[in-house]
Amino acid sequence: EPEVTQTPSHQVTQMGQEVILRCVPISNHLYFYWYRQILGQKVEFLVSFYNNEISEKSEIFDDQFSVERPDGSNFTLKIRSTKLEDSAMYFCASSDTFWGTIYFGEGSWLTVV
Amino acid sequence: AQKVTQAQTEISVVEKEDVTLDCVYETRDTTYYLFWYKQPPSGELVFLIRRNSFDEQNEISGRYSWNFQKSTSSFNFTITASQVVDSAVYFCALSTGANSKLTFGKGITLSVRP
Repeated sequence: EPEVTQTPSHQVTQMGQEVILRCVPISNHLYFYWYRQILGQKVEFLVSFYNNEISEKSEIFDDQFSVERPDGSNFTLKIRSTKLEDSAMYFCASSDTFWGTIYFGEGSWLTVV
Repeated sequence: AQKVTQAQTEISVVEKEDVTLDCVYETRDTTYYLFWYKQPPSGELVFLIRRNSFDEQNEISGRYSWNFQKSTSSFNFTITASQVVDSAVYFCALSTGANSKLTFGKGITLSVRP
């Protein structure tokens, strides 16, 4: 069964460092997302991406964050200067249509120290 | 604005018991989709079901069943004859016509004891 894959599964980084989280969405999917889950809390929407541009972003997704689809398969989330409060599980997700089921990857744990 | 409320935070049952997880949603849109996801201890989010606002038929999949009632804005999830492997956090989520993003509830932690 096709799945969303994410790397790394866990990353520890120092405050102020740049981090890039990588995702390979399901191959025929056109809509891509990043969500975040701080430990023990609910899953929060960060950004949606379609047709090579951001379609919506949340208040969390400030200037420190950026997304990119550098080629036909990868979808990345960059955090330019990490803060302690960026520590969370980051989920990549994709769907084939606007109303399609959103499938999530296994997540990338980011720990900022 | 859309909102999902999962009033139950933690539920503990003994194996083989039936358990119902409640979900209440709020939206002004007439077209929307409701979802349930399972998050086992390993952390991934596993899709369980998607239901659109025009389809109020209840659904059964093995030991899982879902009851969608627009009149009470609820989309409840029942696990019949629970098993230890059902232990997880279960999230209800909503997406509406304005965009495709999901709004999640806070999740319900289900513990099934042997």
